[in-house]
Amino acid sequence: EIVLTQSPATLSVSPGERATLSCRASQSVNNNLAWYQQKPGQAPRLLIFGASTRATGIPARFSGSGSGTEFTLTISSLLSEDFAVYYCQQYNKWPLTFGGGTKVEIK
Amino acid sequence: EVQLVESGGGLVQPGGSLRLSCAASGFSFSNYWMSWVRQTPGKGLEWVASIKEDGSDKYYGDSVKGRFTISRDNAKNSLYLQMNSLRAEDTAVYYCARDEYRFWTSWGQGTLVTVSS
Repeated sequence: EIVLTQSPATLSVSPGERATLSCRASQSVNNNLAWYQQKPGQAPRLLIFGASTRATGIPARFSGSGSGTEFTLTISSLLSEDFAVYYCQQYNKWPLTFGGGTKVEIK
Repeated sequence: EVQLVESGGGLVQPGGSLRLSCAASGFSFSNYWMSWVRQTPGKGLEWVASIKEDGSDKYYGDSVKGRFTISRDNAKNSLYLQMNSLRAEDTAVYYCARDEYRFWTSWGQGTLVTVSS
């Protein structure tokens, strides 16, 4: 099983600042990595797939990068609606696995 | 508009069974892989199972293999999860999700399963 480790667990950021979230895989997943945003009481929302391709309707302030085992999700300038939990997910190999999540909170 | 509506959750005793359903609309259901993903209370996400468009191929997470069965009825635009030998650690919100290529663009609102005596 591919283990995804997200860091930090919690990120405190002020509105308007940049947020950088990390996801590390225990073995290469090539670029088969997705990022999701989840707010309390809601289902996850796909942000990024293929490590760097934004999903339909996702604002340009969200960007993904990386390949192999190291990946980054960057939110260039945080808006109030961006405070949420973010998960990475690999789909390179069964079983499909998620990281433990990064909570982005208001500083 | 894609809609996925789960049902069938509830309280069940350890060792019991439950069948979840997911009603799909707004897209051509028979053209998509479908999956179940769960989220334990206050914790993260865990993929449970996936099924191919025609039901001929299925994959399961290790924690549910041999106990859960995913199935679908394309004539009814419906996805199912039969859960047997339930354990306390199966307590979670279960989401139905539409696959793109083993990631998920559309999710239901989830149904809560509680396993407790």
